[in-house]
Amino acid sequence: QQPVQSPQAVILREGEDAVINCSSSKALYSVHWYRQKHGEAPVFLMILLKGGEQKGHDKISASFNEKKQQSSLYLTASQLSYSGTYFCGTDSISNFGNEKLTFGTGTRLTIIP
Amino acid sequence: DGGITQSPKYLFRKEGQNVTLSCEQNLNHDAMYWYRQDPGQGLRLIYYSQIVNDFQKGDIAEGYSVSREKKESFPLTVTSAQKNPTAFYLCASSIGAGVKVNNEQFFGPGTRLTVL
Repeated sequence: QQPVQSPQAVILREGEDAVINCSSSKALYSVHWYRQKHGEAPVFLMILLKGGEQKGHDKISASFNEKKQQSSLYLTASQLSYSGTYFCGTDSISNFGNEKLTFGTGTRLTIIP
Repeated sequence: DGGITQSPKYLFRKEGQNVTLSCEQNLNHDAMYWYRQDPGQGLRLIYYSQIVNDFQKGDIAEGYSVSREKKESFPLTVTSAQKNPTAFYLCASSIGAGVKVNNEQFFGPGTRLTVL
């Protein structure tokens, strides 16, 4: 079953903040975040592992709440280059030994000047 | 430069024909994956392979077949049994083999298949 992402789409002005959520029905070992620009391949942003850590680089960070089986991606002071579709990919604990992810349906982020 | 290549970028086929999509990586990764992407549906896993000469079905394997005879190569065949093959196909690879910490997936540029 695919993780559920919310919102499905969001439009921001440059400099505004955004939060994208990813929720799974399964107990998770890790959550991956990727960004895909139109017509291009997804690009890896970060992995969050079981343990509830928070990660970040530049103005993009993420958290992982394993009890709630949720992860959130935070984009602060958004730039035009942040536009694209964001996907979370989840690795469930029941999946241990199989190196595969289940991806959400994506959140389309549009940044306008 | 290390990376994943997919060819061709665009592919047109007549209905009822089998077609094979190429995926090659020189990252020395053990695990390779094929995804299908349709508008509004995200990435859905077709097949994956964690080691040479072994592969497993993903969530939507019906109408597709794969082989993994070499570590570097993981071709996908879209057969005539696939009822709606028109889609964007992405190949990916990762270190695999039980590595959980830095097991990010690297994606190829994709092949857009149109069946006429």
